[in-house]
Amino acid sequence: QQPVQSPQAVILREGEDAVINCSSSKALYSVHWYRQKHGEAPVFLMILLKGGEQKGHEKISASFNEKKQQSSLYLTASQLSYSGTYFCGSSGGSNYKLTFGKGTLLTVNP
Amino acid sequence: DGGITQSPKYLFRKEGQNVTLSCEQNLNHDAMYWYRQDPGQGLRLIYYSQIVNDFQKGDIAEGYSVSREKKESFPLTVTSAQKNPTAFYLCASNDRVITEAFFGQGTRLTVV
Repeated sequence: QQPVQSPQAVILREGEDAVINCSSSKALYSVHWYRQKHGEAPVFLMILLKGGEQKGHEKISASFNEKKQQSSLYLTASQLSYSGTYFCGSSGGSNYKLTFGKGTLLTVNP
Repeated sequence: DGGITQSPKYLFRKEGQNVTLSCEQNLNHDAMYWYRQDPGQGLRLIYYSQIVNDFQKGDIAEGYSVSREKKESFPLTVTSAQKNPTAFYLCASNDRVITEAFFGQGTRLTVV
């Protein structure tokens, strides 16, 4: 099953903050976050691992609540370049099955 | 430069024909994936492979087939049994599920 993302879409003005949520009905082993510009390949942002280890970029942060099987991506002081569709991906175990949610469309306006 | 390559970028086929999409990676990754992307549906997993000569069905495998004869190659065949094949197809690879997945640039398939 695909993880569930919320909200489906969000519109910001430059400089505002946003939070994108991701939840799963299955126990999570790792959570991936990617951003996709229209017509392009998704680009890696962050991985959060069971146990608290986090690997990603400097300007974006995220949390991973293993008990609630939820993750949140925090975008602060948004820039125009943050616009795109954000996907969370999850794996339920140490196997290689990586499934993604339906995405959250983020639009940052001047 | 290391990366993952999909070809062709655009593909047109007549209804009832099988078509094969290419995916090649030179990252020495064990795992490879195929996803289908439709508007509003996100990335849906078709097939994935952990090692050579082994692959598993994803969530929407019906009408598709794959092979993994070499570590660097994971071609996807869209068969005539796939009822609605027109979509954007993305291939990805990673070393393990806890590492970054790299995506190809995608193939846009249109069946007429």
